[in-house]
Amino acid sequence: GAGVSQTPSNKVTEKGKYVELRCDPISGHTALYWYRQSLGQGPEFLIYFQGTGAADDSGLPNDRFFAVRPEGSVSTLKIQRTERGDSAVYLCASSLQGSAGELFFGEGSRLTVL
Amino acid sequence: AQTVTQSQPEMSVQEAETVTLSCTYDTSESNYYLFWYKQPPSRQMILVIRQEAYKQQNATENRFSVNFQKAAKSFSLKISDSQLGDTAMYFCARRPQGAQKLVFGQGTRLTINP
Repeated sequence: GAGVSQTPSNKVTEKGKYVELRCDPISGHTALYWYRQSLGQGPEFLIYFQGTGAADDSGLPNDRFFAVRPEGSVSTLKIQRTERGDSAVYLCASSLQGSAGELFFGEGSRLTVL
Repeated sequence: AQTVTQSQPEMSVQEAETVTLSCTYDTSESNYYLFWYKQPPSRQMILVIRQEAYKQQNATENRFSVNFQKAAKSFSLKISDSQLGDTAMYFCARRPQGAQKLVFGQGTRLTINP
């Protein structure tokens, strides 16, 4: 596609449920990032993929959060046993390898945990 | 902690005026990248301008320019001849040396009034 695509756009779930958020990066972009943006805050880094491997997962808050990118393109962020504090917009971005930090962002997935 | 601080939560100016958004950061590194991103209501983050810390010349992109003061760790964004379409959240971000992730500030909500 022309840009980074994220689905779903909005997700409402109940506390304790499992959630998957999907990101389809720009074709040819080898680097993929997940960020979390809480209300009124700037995005916070979660995880960075270079190809299929997670090169930096230092931002994942705990072991309920996991992300995969099995074929080096589409990525899925998985959240187990969701908590109300997980409510946020989850942003995905991609870039060319070695780029000087110009990330191309999707429109995000808004997660609401009731 | 290597933080990025935006001290102006909200700003409002009239169309065609010039506005400056401030940003300071904390680091002991000598080389890094600095960015300003714009986030309209659609939630998609868009790169406005980028500055490499080892370059003394301030970056300029059409109506957007920066005032980069490395010793003071300051990176302000100036928008000239502001337009209604400039209304958005603006985030300052820094890419640490050797890292791929971006560290964002809290954002400044800019409103351009007709």
